[in-house]
Amino acid sequence: SYVLTQPPSVSVAPGKTARITCGGNNIGSKSVHWYQQKPGQAPVLVIYYDSDRPSGIPERFSGSNSGNTATLTISRVEAGDEADYYCQVWDSSSEVFGGGTKLTVL
Amino acid sequence: EVQLVQSGAEVKKPGESLRISCKGSGYSFTSYWISWVRQMPGKGLEWMGRIDPSDSYTNYSPSFQGHVTISADKSISTAYLQWSSLKASDTAMYYCARRPGDHNYGMDVWGQGTTVTVSS
Repeated sequence: SYVLTQPPSVSVAPGKTARITCGGNNIGSKSVHWYQQKPGQAPVLVIYYDSDRPSGIPERFSGSNSGNTATLTISRVEAGDEADYYCQVWDSSSEVFGGGTKLTVL
Repeated sequence: EVQLVQSGAEVKKPGESLRISCKGSGYSFTSYWISWVRQMPGKGLEWMGRIDPSDSYTNYSPSFQGHVTISADKSISTAYLQWSSLKASDTAMYYCARRPGDHNYGMDVWGQGTTVTVSS
């Protein structure tokens, strides 16, 4: 089965840029989606189709995908961005999630 | 408003059966697949399976195949996740989520989650 690998944690100071990676075999050939989950809340789609933002998601959130790595970039990080982030793809008739990355705002 | 509303928290004993629900509103229920996602305490998201409400076609993650059943009643815009014999290891939060059936645009609307606790 397809495996997505994320770093367990990323830390960033307010106002700086956070980059969360998602590794997978030839992931660049797949559509990658990203979800934000704050404690006690349901996940929220923040990036779909590699780099598109749903309505209501700030422009500070962006995505890219090439080769074996997809990246979620959060610019001008705010305290409210502290959350768990998950990447996800569709592979062999299954949705596959990465293990998740806890973003800590210092 | 587009939303998925899930049934309330459940507390069950091992060996009991259970069905939880997910009701869609504000959109064409048959135009979107419904997936079920498990989140065990302190852990990540795990996709369990999905259903196409237009024809009730389902497919499951190998990890959950045979352990749960996903169904839907399109006449009342509701999807279900059921167990015939619960185990303590089924204790988790369960989310339903929709995605367009004909486009891979991710799961854009999620239910609020249903907590299932299995304990003797």
